[in-house]
Amino acid sequence: DAGVIQSPRHEVTEMGQEVTLRCKPISGHNSLFWYRQTMMRGLELLIYFNNNVPIDDSGMPEDRFSAKMPNASFSTLKIQPSEPRDSAVYFCASSYRGGNTIYFGEGSWLTVV
Amino acid sequence: AQSVTQLDSQVPVFEEAPVELRCNYSSSVSVYLFWYVQYPNQGLQLLLKYLSGSTLVKGINGFEAEFNKSQTSFHLRKPSVHISDTAEYFCAVTSYNQGGKLIFGQGTELSVKP
Repeated sequence: DAGVIQSPRHEVTEMGQEVTLRCKPISGHNSLFWYRQTMMRGLELLIYFNNNVPIDDSGMPEDRFSAKMPNASFSTLKIQPSEPRDSAVYFCASSYRGGNTIYFGEGSWLTVV
Repeated sequence: AQSVTQLDSQVPVFEEAPVELRCNYSSSVSVYLFWYVQYPNQGLQLLLKYLSGSTLVKGINGFEAEFNKSQTSFHLRKPSVHISDTAEYFCAVTSYNQGGKLIFGQGTELSVKP
């Protein structure tokens, strides 16, 4: 079975550029999560969706960040404009609502220079 | 609010020695507890989970953890570690009313030396 698929795996971009991270959740899962991992702050939940609807975006750091889930099999996390402090690993994860286990993708390593 | 504290940021250990990675949590409701492992430059992989029932939970790669409600702990153990167990280990908590959101500890870096 395919797991959570994220792209790109690695991205290096210049400050001020737009960055779009993509995620395909596990088929049949109806909850999707975006996490960010940094050395300073560890793993933080940015936003999560249930049935394609954003439920809690309180972890989104600021207006430069936005996330969408246009359908059950695709989500994006966009940063515009990007800044060096956005450099981190961004994980997408999914689960079946009513289930108790979240499955993570391999992550997108973002470096903003 | 829920929180997780991993008491050791780094644990060095020799190969074939036993290891315990400590995790304490705080929650006002019943919890579900998880341990994830992250190998270098990889994503998070579920090691084991406690949802209900037996307090001793066995996971992959020979790891086990014990849920202790009175001490609000969920320590991870392995009786004999291998070099390949070198990784970062994360304890996480959620509950029935959290919509599946996981709250993670800061992680414990396990370094197994020959």
